[in-house]
Amino acid sequence: EAEVAQSPRYKITEKSQAVAFWCDPISGHATLYWYRQILGQGPELLVQFQDESVVDDSQLPKDRFSAERLKGVDSTLKIQPAELGDSAMYLCASSLARSSGSRSSYNEQFFGPGTRLTVL
Amino acid sequence: AQSVAQPEDQVNVAEGNPLTVKCTYSVSGNPYLFWYVQYPNRGLQFLLKYITGDNLVKGSYGFEAEFNKSQTSFHLKKPSALVSDSALYFCAVRDPGYRTALIFGKGTTLSVSS
Repeated sequence: EAEVAQSPRYKITEKSQAVAFWCDPISGHATLYWYRQILGQGPELLVQFQDESVVDDSQLPKDRFSAERLKGVDSTLKIQPAELGDSAMYLCASSLARSSGSRSSYNEQFFGPGTRLTVL
Repeated sequence: AQSVAQPEDQVNVAEGNPLTVKCTYSVSGNPYLFWYVQYPNRGLQFLLKYITGDNLVKGSYGFEAEFNKSQTSFHLKKPSALVSDSALYFCAVRDPGYRTALIFGKGTTLSVSS
């Protein structure tokens, strides 16, 4: 069964350092999401891509976070510089959804295993 | 704004007994509702969704959920709980408009004792 791949699974860094996370969605999935899950809370969207374009990055702290999906396939999320409050699980998800008006927009999202970030 | 609420932080049930994990929602327009499960240090796994149609939705691993429009609820149920069902459960609603991201509740920890 196809899965969403993420790496690394765990990352420990010191504050003010740069970190990067990678996600490879399920083949053929047009939409890719990055969520952040703080311990004890539900995931919250950081950024959404459709193919290579950003659909929504309104919740992405753009002074320190950046995300790209250059060829519309895999994606990288970067934090520079990392802060203590960035410690969380970073989840990548993908779905077939191509546009909000299509039936595929109701398809479920498939999540990767996540990257657990600890900032010291 | 769209939101979901999971009023219970933890639900405890004995193996073999029925289980219910509660979820209520607040949306403008038609609700598109989902349930996901998360095991320790793992990503979320899809269980089931309600888009339209029958109010009783059947999903993976014997789970089902009942959509109740008048009570704005979407409770997750299973007739007979297993110890292996112990995990963190999230209810979610799809964002409206051009966005398709999910808005999650804070989660409910289900503990099934043998």
